[in-house]
Amino acid sequence: QKEVEQNSGPLSVPEGAIASLNCTYSDRGSQSFFWYRQYSGKSPELIMSIYSNGDKEDGRFTAQLNKASQYVSLLIRDSQPSDSATYLCAVKDNAGKSTFGDGTTLTVKP
Amino acid sequence: DVKVTQSSRYLVKRTGEKVFLECVQDMDHENMFWYRQDPGLGLRLIYFSYDVKMKEKGDIPEGYSVSREKKERFSLILESASTNQTSMYLCASSLADYYEQYFGPGTRLTVT
Repeated sequence: QKEVEQNSGPLSVPEGAIASLNCTYSDRGSQSFFWYRQYSGKSPELIMSIYSNGDKEDGRFTAQLNKASQYVSLLIRDSQPSDSATYLCAVKDNAGKSTFGDGTTLTVKP
Repeated sequence: DVKVTQSSRYLVKRTGEKVFLECVQDMDHENMFWYRQDPGLGLRLIYFSYDVKMKEKGDIPEGYSVSREKKERFSLILESASTNQTSMYLCASSLADYYEQYFGPGTRLTVT
C-alpha cells in the first residue's frame, strides 16, 4: 500500500470554481506536509507547506491539515486556466525523507 | 531565490556506459536529494544526503551511487547504464529536515 495517496484524477473544473485536492498518508510520525505544482515537462514547484493542524491560506490557495485523520488537502479558489497542472502531495518523516503521492491532474476549463 | 541547477537537460547514453549527473545548489542547504520520475510510478527517491560525505539510500538505490564532496554539489552516478534507467532525473535540496524541497529543472536521460 502506497504511503501517500491522492484522489484519483483527472479533475476538471470550470474557470472561477473551487478545485479541491485531497491526500491521505499512513505514517503517523510525519511532521511536514507540502503541495507542489508540476506543469507538463517541468519540475515540481512548491505551492504550500503546512506543519500544524488547521488551515493555512496564501492568496487563492488554502492548505488544510488534520493529523488525527492523517489527511491534508489543497483548495484552489477562483480557479484559472493557468492552474491546470499536476498537483503533488508530499509528506516528510522525522528523518527528512519525503514521500510523494502520484499526483492529481487538474484541468481548468475556460 | 533558491537556485538548483543540473548539468544537462537531455542526455543520451549507451548501455554499459558510466553516467554522471551533477546537481548544484546555491543556498547553503543541508539536504540534497535525487529522484527519478516515470509515468505511472510518480517520484521515487534514489538517494539523499544530509551532510557532506553523508548519504542515505532511498527507495530505489540499486544500480546507482552518489557523491557529495562539497556541500553545494550532489552527484548521481550510474555505474553501468541500462535501458531501464531511462527516465527523468530530478535533483532537489532543502534547508534542513522539516523544510520544503526546491527542485532543479531535471535531466531526461535516455539509455539506448
